[in-house]
Amino acid sequence: ELKVEQNPLFLSMQEGKNYTIYCNYSTTSDRLYWYRQDPGKSLESLFVLLSNGAVKQEGRLMASLDTKARLSTLHITAAVHDLSATYFCAVSETNEKLTFGTGTRLTIIP
Amino acid sequence: NAGVMQNPRHLVRRRGQEARLRCSPMKGHSHVYWYRQLPEEGLKFMVYLQKENIIDESGMPKERFSAEFPKEGPSILRIQQVVRGDSAAYFCASSPKGSYNSPLHFGNGTRLTVT
Repeated sequence: ELKVEQNPLFLSMQEGKNYTIYCNYSTTSDRLYWYRQDPGKSLESLFVLLSNGAVKQEGRLMASLDTKARLSTLHITAAVHDLSATYFCAVSETNEKLTFGTGTRLTIIP
Repeated sequence: NAGVMQNPRHLVRRRGQEARLRCSPMKGHSHVYWYRQLPEEGLKFMVYLQKENIIDESGMPKERFSAEFPKEGPSILRIQQVVRGDSAAYFCASSPKGSYNSPLHFGNGTRLTVT
């Protein structure tokens, strides 16, 4: 059974600081997704990572994938308040069935 | 281009009643997925459907839960004889045929409360 673990589960950071969220998964997969969820809202797709060494950046967020280590990271640069949300990684086994991590609740403090 | 539409947004049911959750996929999408999110947790896969076919229902509880995606109309997730533990947010997602490498598009969810 595929397991996906994220850490930390909760993260408070000051505006302007950098930090990284980690996502480990237990079995081979070549597709990893990062989603953002605001309270009471749906999930917004951030990144799709398809191959070993893939790196994608959008604004202050950068995601990478190491399939050999079964690890993805989501790096936040110079955090701003608008980035406060819960971030999920999700890994695909077959078809489009995704296994989600438990989420990282990020709070940006002024 | 409307996104994935779910209704109702909020649903309150008493224990023992039935809950019906509807999902209309994005235009051109023929694959539908249902996920459940308990408070403070990630999403858990329930079922994957294509038109008139259940492809993978490995995440569906064996009893009281059923799903369909008819040739015409929305996908329906049906929960019979609801219990308090069914209280959760239920998200539907869709994707076009052959979208192996594309992210799923999620609806806004239906928040079910069982009293």
